[in-house]
Amino acid sequence: DAKTTQPNSMESNEEEPVHLPCNHSTISGTDYIHWYRQLPSQGPEYVIHGLTSNVNNRMASLAIAEDRKSSTLILHRATLRDAAVYYCILRVGGDSGGSNYKLTFGKGTLLTVNP
Amino acid sequence: DTEVTQTPKHLVMGMTNKKSLKCEQHMGHRAMYWYKQKAKKPPELMFVYSYEKLSINESVPSRFSPECPNSSLLNLHLHALQPEDSALYLCASSQIIHGGRENYGYTFGSGTRLTVV
Repeated sequence: DAKTTQPNSMESNEEEPVHLPCNHSTISGTDYIHWYRQLPSQGPEYVIHGLTSNVNNRMASLAIAEDRKSSTLILHRATLRDAAVYYCILRVGGDSGGSNYKLTFGKGTLLTVNP
Repeated sequence: DTEVTQTPKHLVMGMTNKKSLKCEQHMGHRAMYWYKQKAKKPPELMFVYSYEKLSINESVPSRFSPECPNSSLLNLHLHALQPEDSALYLCASSQIIHGGRENYGYTFGSGTRLTVV
């Protein structure tokens, strides 16, 4: 499985933007880049995903490097509720039928948001 | 309904007990997953079901037995567990799109916190 590398922890101040980096130098052409976050005592929550182009949704933006070897999750205005572990994951493809897609978690980045 | 519901939320069982974890979703997702998460560690994939058939078993010990009775329900049967099996067990689901072009995220439940005594 292609691996991702993230900083162990990052700190941010409330209402400031946060840029969470992820390196995935061995990404293959068909791997999607997924981001999930996990708040304390909860299951992981889908944040965003993309393939080649930058993506935006109501939660965050995903900026993907042109060579796809790195990506950045952008939280535009951090709130205390954004404090969580953020996982950058490459969604590995399975058989041609599309039925076996594994999501393998790495260690993630623990984001602390200061009031 | 956009949720994955897991029951029970907490479970304490002895090493000789038999218990089951239940996971339910009504989003029409045809792929369902079991993950195990130890404290301060990332979730680890255990099983993948697609179209109600087991498609991936990540070398999980036979004391864990998954079952997918229908497209909305996923069970994990537990028997003769060890204390080191104590963990948060997470269920997830996702859509399957044919042609190898999947572009949806996974939806996770809140998990069952299992303690084996």
